[in-house]
Amino acid sequence: GQQVMQIPQYQHVQEGEDFTTYCNSSTTLSNIQWYKQRPGGHPVFLIQLVKSGEVKKQKRLTFQFGEAKKNSSLHITATQTTDVGTYFCTSGTYKYIFGTGTRLKVLA
Amino acid sequence: GAVVSQHPSRVICKSGTSVKIECRSLDFQATTMFWYRQFPKQSLMLMATSNEGSKATYEQGVEKDKFLINHASLTLSTLTVTSAHPEDSSFYICSASPPTQGEVNTEAFFGQGTRLTVV
Repeated sequence: GQQVMQIPQYQHVQEGEDFTTYCNSSTTLSNIQWYKQRPGGHPVFLIQLVKSGEVKKQKRLTFQFGEAKKNSSLHITATQTTDVGTYFCTSGTYKYIFGTGTRLKVLA
Repeated sequence: GAVVSQHPSRVICKSGTSVKIECRSLDFQATTMFWYRQFPKQSLMLMATSNEGSKATYEQGVEKDKFLINHASLTLSTLTVTSAHPEDSSFYICSASPPTQGEVNTEAFFGQGTRLTVV
């Protein structure tokens, strides 16, 4: 079945540093969604990418969908302590299969 | 955005008892809801797809007799953990989405989650 792997599994950064997480699939994805889960909370939708090579920005967050639609990335510029949490990618046409997640810690 | 409400948020039960968790979509009709299980510091594992008016579709390795799912209305799905044991202790979370347009999933809205502890 479809598997979505994320790297890295963990990332500790100093506040102000940049952060990137990558999502990789062995099969072509129809779409990719990114979610953020704060510690103790539930996943919250960030964005959806559908088109090959698509790039979307939300303030300090930049999302990219690969040309082959097999990978995606989320880049955060100048991290803040409020960015702490686990970032998941997910994809699917009918059900949502979540990636392994990247846990981000931001050190003040 | 849309709201999905999950209840209870925390439950402690004795081994051997059953626990029911409710998931409600408050402002849209959800023909499909999803149930996940999440262990500490791990990803969300899809357990089953709850279909309104029909049987749930369980993922491989998930015991359907252990985790009973009922989706009796367009706004309510329930997950019952039957004869719970300590190894069933986990964070259970549901999600729902407004109807899909074509083959592209729409945004999933998650309930607050239920932390189950079986003692």
